[in-house]
Amino acid sequence: DAKTTQPPSMDCAEGRAANLPCNHSTISGNEYVYWYRQIHSQGPQYIIHGLKNNETNEMASLIITEDRKSSTLILPHATLRDTAVYYCIVREVTPNTGNQFYFGTGTSLTVIP
Amino acid sequence: DVKVTQSSRYLVKRTGEKVFLECVQDMDHENMFWYRQDPGLGLRLIYFSYDVKMKEKGDIPEGYSVSREKKERFSLILESASTNQTSMYLCASRPGTWAYEQYFGPGTRLTVT
Repeated sequence: DAKTTQPPSMDCAEGRAANLPCNHSTISGNEYVYWYRQIHSQGPQYIIHGLKNNETNEMASLIITEDRKSSTLILPHATLRDTAVYYCIVREVTPNTGNQFYFGTGTSLTVIP
Repeated sequence: DVKVTQSSRYLVKRTGEKVFLECVQDMDHENMFWYRQDPGLGLRLIYFSYDVKMKEKGDIPEGYSVSREKKERFSLILESASTNQTSMYLCASRPGTWAYEQYFGPGTRLTVT
């Protein structure tokens, strides 16, 4: 699986957009980019995933560069409840692999009032 | 909503004890997972199960075993607990191998003294 690199920590002002970067320069053509987050004292929670195109859902937007070597998770209007550790994961989806996820240490996002 | 529950939030055991961590999901998911989470190491997969009575080793299975006798329940067993097994243990489930999203329980913080 491709390795991901994320900054260890970031701050964001409440109400502003939070842009969380992720580098995955060795990603292969079949690997998807997933984002999860983990709020303190809870289990990780799925946010969004994508392959090539940008994706948006009710929680966030995912922007993947054209060469797919990096991506950015965007929380458009960060709230205090978005304070969490955010994990960027790349993983190939095949019937045999079972789609396991390899969580790194992620980015600790702190939303500041 | 999918619910994944774990038998205990906090557990303290002595070295050498046999420890059972229970995980139950209520959405008829085929796949279930056990991870441990340690500071600086992220989440690491211990074991996973594709279906009842099926199990596969993850990245760090040593010192652990699992049991899945019923679809909704996945148990993690520490045959003889050791201090290096002090950790946060997270259970997750997923509808099937085709599904992208894993649903996590709240975690069990195990301390082995």
